Formats: sequence, structure tokens, C-alpha cells
Amino acid sequence: AQTVTQSQPEMSVQEAETVTLSCTYDTSENNYYLFWYKQPPSRQMILVIRQEAYKQQNATENRFSVNFQKAAKSFSLKISDSQLGDTAMYFCAFMKLYNDMRFGAGTRLTVKP
Amino acid sequence: DAGVIQSPRHEVTEMGQEVTLRCKPISGHDYLFWYRQTMMRGLELLIYFNNNVPIDDSGMPEDRFSAKMPNASFSTLKIQPSEPRDSAVYFCASSPYGRLNTEAFFGQGTRLTVV
Repeated sequence: AQTVTQSQPEMSVQEAETVTLSCTYDTSENNYYLFWYKQPPSRQMILVIRQEAYKQQNATENRFSVNFQKAAKSFSLKISDSQLGDTAMYFCAFMKLYNDMRFGAGTRLTVKP
Repeated sequence: DAGVIQSPRHEVTEMGQEVTLRCKPISGHDYLFWYRQTMMRGLELLIYFNNNVPIDDSGMPEDRFSAKMPNASFSTLKIQPSEPRDSAVYFCASSPYGRLNTEAFFGQGTRLTVV
């Protein structure tokens, strides 16, 4: 079974600064997808960024970027120019082709003014 | 599309009662997932369907839990009888798996409280 590990239960960052959230996963598969989801207090799950394992180039979405290290099975999320609205739980997720999605335990991020 | 729709948003019930949670996935999505979220265990996958067929229900905690998908536009998760430890937020998600931009789209969740 695939496992996803987020080793940072909580993190904080000053507004406008940069923060990196860590995620590692375990799989024997070669083709899969990785995701970061954001869950604000409203509890809605919002996709932040997606990475296909067959793509070597790291995904970027505005202020959000990932560092995907396939050999190391690492998938970290970097948030640049942090904003107060980034305060939320962040979940790393793994999805095998034509299969289910598994989540890490989450990292609670607080952006301080 | 209105997105994944779950009902009810909140449910409070007494221990021993039957609870039914409902989900309408996004039209055209092949996969449907039911997750349970608690502080202690995080997001747990309970069961998922492909084209209305249950593929993996190994996450269903007990026989008290059952899920059905009678057609492509509707799924239910039933707990009978309910217990206080079932209190959690239950999410339904759907995915257009097999296409280029694979991701899971989540509903707003149902917060279940069993007293």
C-alpha cells in the first residue's frame, strides 16, 4: 500500500515570507500523481498544485511551487510571498493510476501578520 | 457544473440511529470516493467506486458502514446503527480519472455528530 508522510504537524511563517512544507511517500509504482490540497477553516478541500510523476519539471502555480524528487520520493511545497489567506491545513496526496487517492496527516500552516 | 454536492451539511443523531449521507458527483466523472476526517486519524479513504462499481472497501471500518452507488449521479454512505465514535466529517469526492488533468474534486463535507 502507498503511504504518505508529512512530518511537520504545524508550521508558521511571517506574512510575505517563504515557507516550505515537506512530504514523502512510499510506492513501488512508476506512474502516479502527487497533489497538495489546502483546507481552510471552511473545511473545503481545494487543490493547490498537481505533479505527474512522469514529468521531470517541477509544477508551479503562481506563488506555489513544488520540489519533486522522484528518486528520493519527496514532494515538498514552497509558498512564496505568504499571505494571511494561506492559513490552512495542507495535505499532501498520492494517487496511483486508476486507483484511489491517499493523504498524509496534514500540516497546519499559520501565516502571521 | 455545481461541483460535488453532499447532503446534509450537518447531521446530529442519537446513538443507535441510522444515518444516511448523500453525494452527487460531478457529471462525467468515473470515480467516486468516500473519506472520513477526524483529528486523530486524519483523512481516511473508506471506499471508492469506478463506474458505479465498488472497487475497494477495505477502509470501511465495520459492518455497520455500507455504501452504494445505484447510478452515475448518486451515492450514499449509510451507518447503522450509529455510535459516538462515528462522529467525524465525511467527504465525498469525484474524479475524471483517465483524462489529462486528474485530480479529485471534493464536496463540502457532512459533519456528523452522534450523541
